[in-house]
Amino acid sequence: GDSVTQMEGPVTLSEEAFLTINCTYTATGYPSLFWYVQYPGEGLQLLLKATKADDKGSNKGFEATYRKETTSFHLEKGSVQVSDSAVYFCALSDSGSGGYQKVTFGTGTKLQVIP
Amino acid sequence: EADIYQTPRYLVIGTGKKITLECSQTMGHDKMYWYQQDPGMELHLIHYSYGVNSTEKGDLSSESTVSRIRTEHFPLTLESARPSHTSQYLCASSPRLGLAGGPYNEQFFGPGTRLTVL
Repeated sequence: GDSVTQMEGPVTLSEEAFLTINCTYTATGYPSLFWYVQYPGEGLQLLLKATKADDKGSNKGFEATYRKETTSFHLEKGSVQVSDSAVYFCALSDSGSGGYQKVTFGTGTKLQVIP
Repeated sequence: EADIYQTPRYLVIGTGKKITLECSQTMGHDKMYWYQQDPGMELHLIHYSYGVNSTEKGDLSSESTVSRIRTEHFPLTLESARPSHTSQYLCASSPRLGLAGGPYNEQFFGPGTRLTVL
């Protein structure tokens, strides 16, 4: 079945540091890939997405590129802020026909940014 | 404003009580989901629905039940709460894809209900 593996946290960075959170996946077919973010006390919200190979998703300074050859979708940001402290989930949606399309989530990576 | 709501946000209850966690969305989405999130943050799908009168069990076995009588409403019920049910419960919805094999299935999440069973 489908699976998503992301780096374990917590990740602690100083403000303005470069961020990378690794994510790799296994799937049959051609999945769509997502990064979700969960701030303390809230539900998940979509951060960015990519629907096909070589697509780059971007939002709020975060970027991730769909790499089919390495089955990866690493999240990056050039300069993190304290407000980026949250839990980040990598996810995929399989490309089956119609009906229910299952979303598979990684286990989440907690990011803490210190001033 | 289109959104997805969960009530209550926090609930502390004694063992053996019956509880219903409410989830409503105003986006007209066909698909809805319930996830259980453990303290380690991992999400486990416990129920989902394709649409009205459709309910399915997810990956994680759960003693809860769900119903989908209206498109916008997807409540989760525990007939007899136990301490092992203590967790964060997240509701989500997503739109029907226009075409088979469409490109993605973005989910919209509610704020969650944190349940504690004593």
